Amino acid sequence: DAGVTQSPTHLIKTRGQQVTLRCSPKSGHDTVSWYQQALGQGPQFIFQYYEEEERQRGNFPDRFSGHQFPNYSSELNVNALLLGDSALYLCASGGGRETQYFGPGTRLLVL
Amino acid sequence: QQQVKQSPQSLIVQKGGISIINCAYENTAFDYFPWYQQFPGKGPALLIAIRPDVSEKKEGRFTISFNKSAKQFSLHIMDSQPGDSATYFCAASRGAAGNKLTFGGGTRVLVKP
Repeated sequence: DAGVTQSPTHLIKTRGQQVTLRCSPKSGHDTVSWYQQALGQGPQFIFQYYEEEERQRGNFPDRFSGHQFPNYSSELNVNALLLGDSALYLCASGGGRETQYFGPGTRLLVL
Repeated sequence: QQQVKQSPQSLIVQKGGISIINCAYENTAFDYFPWYQQFPGKGPALLIAIRPDVSEKKEGRFTISFNKSAKQFSLHIMDSQPGDSATYFCAASRGAAGNKLTFGGGTRVLVKP
C-alpha cells in the first residue's frame, strides 16, 4: 500500500517564475492538505481540498492556488515566486476522522 | 499569532534517559493533539495523539500527558535511543483529526550513545 507520494523531490526556480507541485494521496484517502515548512520551523497550513473543492485555507496569499482531480490527487501552484517561498512543501492526506499522513515533501529553492 | 508554543527548541539526552517536550495552546476550541516525528529530508510521521477527554496516553516508549485547565500537553520519550534523534512537533486541530493542523515550532532531540 503506497503512502503519500509527492513530485518532484527538489526544484530550483527563479524569482517571478511559477511552479507546480504534485501529490498523490494514500490509498483510500479522499482529502489532501498542503503545508509549507520553512527551514527550522513547523509546517504552516496552506489549504485543504475535498471533493475537488478548497475546503479550508490558511493565511497565504492568492499566489498560492491548488487543484484536486477526480482521482483525489492534487496540485499546488505558486505564481510570482518570491525568495521567501523557498521551503519544504508537504502534502498530507486523510480528512474527516482520518489522521493526516504526510508525504516526503518537495524542497523548493527560489533564487 | 502563534497558537501553539513548543519548548525547548533543542534537547540533548543520554541513551536510556527521558526526553520531555512541552507545548501550550491558546485556542480552547482545539480538541485533537497529535505529535509528529520528523527526520532530515523526510515528512513528519505521526507518533501518538490525544483528545482532551483523557489526561494521559501511552504507546510503547511514548507518553502524552494532557492538562486541559492549563492548556498544556507534553511528550515523554522513555528509555531514549539514538534512533530517536529527530525533530518533534506538537500540533493541534479543531474537530476532526483531518482538519487543519496548527504546529508548534519543533524540538530537535539528540540522543547521545
